[in-house]
Amino acid sequence: DAKTTQPPSMDCAEGRAANLPCNHSTISGNEYVYWYRQIHSQGPQYIIHGLKNNETNEMASLIITEDRKSSTLILPHATLRDTAVYYCIVRVAYNTDKLIFGTGTRLQVFP
Amino acid sequence: DSGVTQTPKHLITATGQRVTLRCSPRSGDLSVYWYQQSLDQGLQFLIQYYNGEERAKGNILERFSAQQFPDLHSELNLSSLELGDSALYFCASSGLDRVGDTGELFFGEGSRLTVL
Repeated sequence: DAKTTQPPSMDCAEGRAANLPCNHSTISGNEYVYWYRQIHSQGPQYIIHGLKNNETNEMASLIITEDRKSSTLILPHATLRDTAVYYCIVRVAYNTDKLIFGTGTRLQVFP
Repeated sequence: DSGVTQTPKHLITATGQRVTLRCSPRSGDLSVYWYQQSLDQGLQFLIQYYNGEERAKGNILERFSAQQFPDLHSELNLSSLELGDSALYFCASSGLDRVGDTGELFFGEGSRLTVL
């Protein structure tokens, strides 16, 4: 799996958008960008994934740069329950290979 | 609810003992993964099974073993336990057989093992 780089921590005010960056400069053409989050000691939760187009679901939006070397996960209206560690992972989709987790970004949403 | 069930949720045991952690994957998922997360540590991949066969192995200790049964549930066996084995153990499953599946992993809520 290609390596990703994320800031270790970020803060966000409740109700504001949280923008979590991820660099993946060595991503291969068939690798997707996946985002997961882990809320304190719970099992990691899948958020969203994408290849090259921007993606949106009920949880978040994913913006991938045209050269695919970086991406941003956007939580449009962060709540206190979004406080978690967010992991950006690149991986070939449509297979069942393991996920390799890095250190992620610890997002703290404050009132 | 991810659909992945892990038991027990909590387990306290002594050094030198052996424990078994159980995982029931989402219905129909053929792949099962085990991860370890020690206190304030990252998620470490241990091992993956696919339809009963070992598919990939990570940094799993020789004292640890796993298997996946014909009904697709999996067990992680930890023996000769040491203090450092205290951790959260997560199971995940994935599949490609349902409409919309792209192979993303769905995690259980974990089994917290404390070795005293």
